[in-house]
Amino acid sequence: KNEVEQSPQNLTAQEGEFITINCSYSVGISALHWLQQHPGGGIVSLFMLSSGKKKHGRLIATINIQEKHSSLHITASHPRDSAVYICAVKVGDYGKLTFGQGTILTVHP
Amino acid sequence: KAGVTQTPRYLIKTRGQQVTLSCSPISGHRSVSWYQQTPGQGLQFLFEYFSETQRNKGNFPGRFSGRQFSNSRSEMNVSTLELGDSALYLCASHQTTRFGTQYFGPGTRLLVL
Repeated sequence: KNEVEQSPQNLTAQEGEFITINCSYSVGISALHWLQQHPGGGIVSLFMLSSGKKKHGRLIATINIQEKHSSLHITASHPRDSAVYICAVKVGDYGKLTFGQGTILTVHP
Repeated sequence: KAGVTQTPRYLIKTRGQQVTLSCSPISGHRSVSWYQQTPGQGLQFLFEYFSETQRNKGNFPGRFSGRQFSNSRSEMNVSTLELGDSALYLCASHQTTRFGTQYFGPGTRLLVL
């Protein structure tokens, strides 16, 4: 079993829909990252969480440390949100990240 | 501030050759981490450098090595290339605090023939 599990692996939505991507992990962590990767490879860090909830525009990320679970929500989804979303966890103070397998999101107009 | 830069962006090599990839972090960032991304294995941690010292290493063979210079620029080297080394190699720079965000470069896409 992987240390970081994401669900679903693939997600198709219509423009305007509310989207949720889930991430579960099995180790104690110091922080959790949500990353976005568009075709072509570039990775952008969306959020870094160690507790609670963060919001940026239409994106919301939450984390429950006790349950070892995090969610990424996209409100009012748009075709430009189509990308791979990756959950990554950091253990301890060093920079090593352990990644989930990614969720491929496709938003149709 | 300029972002993380990686050179070259694309590279084609043949089996048995060696390759060196370069990463220049964001100004002021002293930590650089390297990752390999393949369709089969996804993203995997290679190593992390801080102040010219390797402070963490992933589960990769000794053919994969790296170093960091005094200006925080980092290089990684892969010797005796194998077909399975074909991948996107990403570096990320970050500050050294526990909660520092990692900023990824555009990656170097390596194809081994």
